[in-house]
Amino acid sequence: GAGVSQSPSNKVTEKGKDVELRCDPISGHTALYWYRQSLGQGLEFLIYFQGNSAPDKSGLPSDRFSAERTGGSVSTLTIQRTQQEDSAVYLCASSLEGPGTDTQYFGPGTRLTVL
Amino acid sequence: AQSVTQLGSHVSVSEGALVLLRCNYSSSVPPYLFWYVQYPNQGLQLLLKYTTGATLVKGINGFEAEFKKSETSFHLTKPSAHMSDAAEYFCAVTGTSYGKLTFGQGTILTVHP
Repeated sequence: GAGVSQSPSNKVTEKGKDVELRCDPISGHTALYWYRQSLGQGLEFLIYFQGNSAPDKSGLPSDRFSAERTGGSVSTLTIQRTQQEDSAVYLCASSLEGPGTDTQYFGPGTRLTVL
Repeated sequence: AQSVTQLGSHVSVSEGALVLLRCNYSSSVPPYLFWYVQYPNQGLQLLLKYTTGATLVKGINGFEAEFKKSETSFHLTKPSAHMSDAAEYFCAVTGTSYGKLTFGQGTILTVHP
């Protein structure tokens, strides 16, 4: 079956521009996570969705970052006024229901480069 | 709060040799522990996980890991390395009611012929 998909796979933008990253989770998965992978910081949690709600946004690094999920499915991560330190690979993962025991299935990521 | 330490950012082995990737964790609650593998330009794939029950867990591709509470460790092993095992490996922990993963820094495994 289809796995987690993310688009675009690569995004190059200029400093100060806004970007939107999209995640399509596995059908039927209620939990959705965003992580960021960068050389300096490794893999970091950004935000967790259960359905359309985000009970944990604690990993969002600044108010320039926001995310939403609609219809309990697709999620969009938006970064406003991008900075060079936002350059990273943004990974999305989904799991069936959300408890800590669930396996998270990861997408291939979006590589963001801010010039 | 949870944290993970992976000892050795790079490990190099010969094909056919034992693979041992070390992971130690810290958790204020009973942990759930995971090993993920990442091939170049790909997302993460689950190798194995420990939740409850048997402390020796077997995963895909011949890997296994043992949860040792007294040592706060969850080391990953494979008896005989294969060239296709070359990748980056991440140990992760979650102890919450949902799956917020805290990752180690990763270990790059190189397999020499």
